[in-house]
Amino acid sequence: GIQVEQSPPDLILQEGANSTLRCNFSDSVNNLQWFHQNPWGQLINLFYIPSGTKQNGRLSATTVATERYSLLYISSSQTTDSGVYFCAGGTYSSASKIIFGSGTRLSIRP
Amino acid sequence: DTGVSQDPRHKITKRGQNVTFRCDPISEHNRLYWYRQTLGQGPEFLTYFQNEAQLEKSRLLSDRFSAERPKGSFSTLEIQRTEQGDSAMYLCASSSSTSNPGANVLTFGAGSRLTVL
Repeated sequence: GIQVEQSPPDLILQEGANSTLRCNFSDSVNNLQWFHQNPWGQLINLFYIPSGTKQNGRLSATTVATERYSLLYISSSQTTDSGVYFCAGGTYSSASKIIFGSGTRLSIRP
Repeated sequence: DTGVSQDPRHKITKRGQNVTFRCDPISEHNRLYWYRQTLGQGPEFLTYFQNEAQLEKSRLLSDRFSAERPKGSFSTLEIQRTEQGDSAMYLCASSSSTSNPGANVLTFGAGSRLTVL
């Protein structure tokens, strides 16, 4: 099955800093999504981004489907951005089987 | 719309007992997923329904695990003869194949945390 690799595994930043999280896929991926898991465990869908670039406030994401990677940018980070960020997707032959990476744990210090 | 609901939120059981979790998806969503998440790991795919049909099931899912979605609405996940290794967060997600064909945007519930003693 598809392999999803996320980097870095951990990131500690001061409030106000910018960050870039990366997700690599072992195969061409469909239904690529980014999620944020808050300290209470709730997973929130941030972006559905099979290709191209999207922005939502301080967050933006870019997927280069031909090179099998996606990036999540967080600008002017706030303590509420802390948590774990996951990317997930499925292959074209099994698009409904959405596989997650192991996540990037982001800690924003005041 | 109240989102995806899961019940119970927490379950503590003794090894060997059976447990059942329930998931109520967003009402207009026809796809339903179950995932398992252990500490420090990403959600691990367990199974997937489209309406009442179970279309995919992970090879990691042992015979002790069974999931149903009898009328294409709510779903149950049962674990028989629980083992300590089953301790995890069990997550349910739903999506719609009709509102945006080709897209499969998952909405997750808050999860059901299982502790097996």
